[in-house]
Amino acid sequence: EAQVTQNPRYLITVTGKKLTVTCSQNMNHEYMSWYRQDPGLGLRQIYYSMNVEVTDKGDVPEGYKVSRKEKRNFPLILESPSPNQTSLYFCASSPATFKRQSEAFFGQGTRLTVV
Amino acid sequence: SQQGEEDPQALSIQEGENATMNCSYKTSINNLQWYRQNSGRGLVHLILIRSNEREKHSGRLRVTLDTSKKSSSLLITASRAADTASYFCATVNFGNEKLTFGTGTRLTIIP
Repeated sequence: EAQVTQNPRYLITVTGKKLTVTCSQNMNHEYMSWYRQDPGLGLRQIYYSMNVEVTDKGDVPEGYKVSRKEKRNFPLILESPSPNQTSLYFCASSPATFKRQSEAFFGQGTRLTVV
Repeated sequence: SQQGEEDPQALSIQEGENATMNCSYKTSINNLQWYRQNSGRGLVHLILIRSNEREKHSGRLRVTLDTSKKSSSLLITASRAADTASYFCATVNFGNEKLTFGTGTRLTIIP
């Protein structure tokens, strides 16, 4: 089944403790991205990657890191999480860039709480 | 930064009625997409309309785009309880690779 898989689905952590949220897609998509969703703010892009070893900042990249060593994986790293990073996170992939009229396929989300 | 803003923020209608949601945006776009999100879950793509298109249909969905007014509407006909969800418009601007989402419309279908 074609899908984007995020892990974990739920995570509670303490301030400053490094964490990684994994994202994997099995559709051979070139484009992957991370979003955070907060009430009243919709989805905001954190980072995106147009291909292996190519990443770029989205609208809210501060406090996050990503890597794209393989086409299928795009982990999101929080080196020193803070409470304002408590949010619902989504990974998405797309067969091509959105300028080519591609649609995004989303994972099921990771609800992160930083205390 | 947010590009699209949906209106209304919340909408409740009786099952069987039509639901209309609107999206306004600020800058010229390459295409506009609509997504549905069931409570707390991942978004699902519904329909995409290119900047040179004015109307598009997919099943019970009808999307219009007015680039002169920088607005789009999503019409769901003959609504069903399963249509209860949040609906987001997302724009792709000329000159960048991002999909920029609005804040969404929460649609509730009353059985």
